[in-house]
Amino acid sequence: TQLLEQSPQFLSIQEGENLTVYCNSSSVFSSLQWYRQEPGEGPVLLVTVVTGGEVKKLKRLTFQFGDARKDSSLHITAAQPGDTGLYLCAVLLYNQGGKLIFGQGTELSVKP
Amino acid sequence: ETGVTQTPRHLVMGMTNKKSLKCEQHLGHNAMYWYKQSAKKPLELMFVYNFKEQTENNSVPSRFSPECPNSSHLFLHLHTLQPEDSALYLCASSPTGPVGDTQYFGPGTRLTVL
Repeated sequence: TQLLEQSPQFLSIQEGENLTVYCNSSSVFSSLQWYRQEPGEGPVLLVTVVTGGEVKKLKRLTFQFGDARKDSSLHITAAQPGDTGLYLCAVLLYNQGGKLIFGQGTELSVKP
Repeated sequence: ETGVTQTPRHLVMGMTNKKSLKCEQHLGHNAMYWYKQSAKKPLELMFVYNFKEQTENNSVPSRFSPECPNSSHLFLHLHTLQPEDSALYLCASSPTGPVGDTQYFGPGTRLTVL
């Protein structure tokens, strides 16, 4: 079983649509990160959420950390083709020397 | 451009070949990492170096051999690989140790083992 379960695994939508992707776990975390990985590139950190219930906005992207700090969501408003990529959630395991553990990702395709 | 470069970007090798992947960071960081990204599997941490010392070996087979000659360079030496080792190999760096630091990733080397 994976520590972080992301859903959906694949998402194909039209430009202008809204979408939400999820990152779930049965474990509690002190913080959670979201990355975007574009084709042919490495992951790039988008945001870190640290407080239960926290909401952070990055332009059209809204990130929320669950109240119990076990899950997180990423909502994109009016998706654009430039949003296409692999969205990864990750957590730092402080009890394992700060090892960064990733979910398997949500592959998003936004068609013009 | 994240300040972390990797060469080559693509590599095809036979199972009996020996090759090396190179990573260089221009960010003045002291910690460097190797990750493996396979299709339909989460990114897996392979090795961590902090101030040139290896601090993590995540049960990686000995056919993968890392080398960190200084804080700016990291190599992954490959020998007698298997087809299941085909994957995207990502290098990352962070200012100090892993705990709490943002990691900056390179673009990866796409490895195919025939």
